[in-house]
Amino acid sequence: AQKITQTQPGMFVQEKEAVTLDCTYDTSDQSYGLFWYKQPSSGEMIFLIYQGSYDEQNATEGRYSLNFQKARKSANLVISASQLGDSAMYFCAMRESYNFNKFYFGSGTKLNVKP
Amino acid sequence: ETGVTQTPRHLVMGMTNKKSLKCEQHLGHNAMYWYKQSAKKPLELMFVYNFKEQTENNSVPSRFSPECPNSSHLFLHLHTLQPEDSALYLCASSRTGRLGTGELFFGEGSRLTVL
Repeated sequence: AQKITQTQPGMFVQEKEAVTLDCTYDTSDQSYGLFWYKQPSSGEMIFLIYQGSYDEQNATEGRYSLNFQKARKSANLVISASQLGDSAMYFCAMRESYNFNKFYFGSGTKLNVKP
Repeated sequence: ETGVTQTPRHLVMGMTNKKSLKCEQHLGHNAMYWYKQSAKKPLELMFVYNFKEQTENNSVPSRFSPECPNSSHLFLHLHTLQPEDSALYLCASSRTGRLGTGELFFGEGSRLTVL
């Protein structure tokens, strides 16, 4: 079974609007971490936001927030006030507690921001 | 600049060539990783080194040979590759342990084309 599922291969959003990128995960571990990365066309993967499984509040970093619903095993990324520079691939990832070096990545969502 | 530098950024090689990819991190991290990114596939973990010791080898063919001489440098030696090995090879580093989130910091990748 896939550990991370991103069901949206591509998304369009109008500039200045908010967009939600979906991510669901599969684990039996009680302690785990969830990450979102952005990959522009240049290739570099840029860390955006982190959510720990025991964190009671949803993580926020500037225009990024993570809608964490533990019971549903979902960790959706919300980007508010989209900018043209947000056009990129976005990857959700998970790390379980028993192997701190093993990250599972989803297949990604390509976001296009329209002017 | 992310603190993780990969060279070369682009490499074209024939199936009989021998070449190497280099990665250097300036972040004081103890773990380094090689990932393979092919079109329309999730990131594939290839190798992990923790304090210079290899801790993960994700069933990678022997034509890929990693080397980690110290915690700051990581190499991927390539020989007798196949055209299906053409991909973006991403190096990453992280600080393991329970302090902080331990997110991956990525380089900009080495785009490999095997003719």
